[in-house]
Amino acid sequence: QVQLQESGPGLVKPSETLSLTCTVSGGSMNTYFWNWIRQPPGKGLEWIGYIYYTGSTKSNPSLESRVTISEDTSKNQFSLRLNSVTAADTAVYYCARARTPFSNYYGLDVWGQGTTVTVSS
Amino acid sequence: DIQMTQSPSSLSASVGDRVTIACRTSQSISNYLNWYQQKPGKVPELLIYAASNLQSGVPSRFSGRGSGTDFTLTISSLQPEDFATYYCQESYTTFTFGQGTRLDIK
Repeated sequence: QVQLQESGPGLVKPSETLSLTCTVSGGSMNTYFWNWIRQPPGKGLEWIGYIYYTGSTKSNPSLESRVTISEDTSKNQFSLRLNSVTAADTAVYYCARARTPFSNYYGLDVWGQGTTVTVSS
Repeated sequence: DIQMTQSPSSLSASVGDRVTIACRTSQSISNYLNWYQQKPGKVPELLIYAASNLQSGVPSRFSGRGSGTDFTLTISSLQPEDFATYYCQESYTTFTFGQGTRLDIK
């Protein structure tokens, strides 16, 4: 079955750019929406954005100005870049797949294990 | 933006209890509402999608209802493995999550 794995630096300095990659194994990126979600320590979940296999993207309005989501379907990977980070961006970052092909409406059923990113000098 | 309000924010219950968690949205989202369970240190898991549809592999003691702005997640008979935090999520506009409901053992 499909599995997701996040990778990237665990420590980022304030004002720099956070960059993460999610590698999809056991299946193709075709026909699905691929999402990023984060969870600050001890807090709830926050949706960051998605990329559709066609390359179209959508981001949380509160993060939109700082977020870039891209994909490399030849490598079965999609990526997140969050610029101008502050301590408030410290969180566990998850990638996740939409449950249903061609739609992001019906929940996220496959998640990566999450990667902790700390913003600190 | 759609605001999500879950209630209660925390809840204590016993094994065998029937528990209901509510999620209210600030505007109508039809049935574009999903529920997740997250255990400490673990990845969220999808329980219910489109308000009332049970995700494959999820026990039938979990059920969801609602449409428009008011939704509920019910666990008919709590099992020890159900003590966790539950989140609703709207998938109508910006995929916002509720603040979570922590369910622990009384």
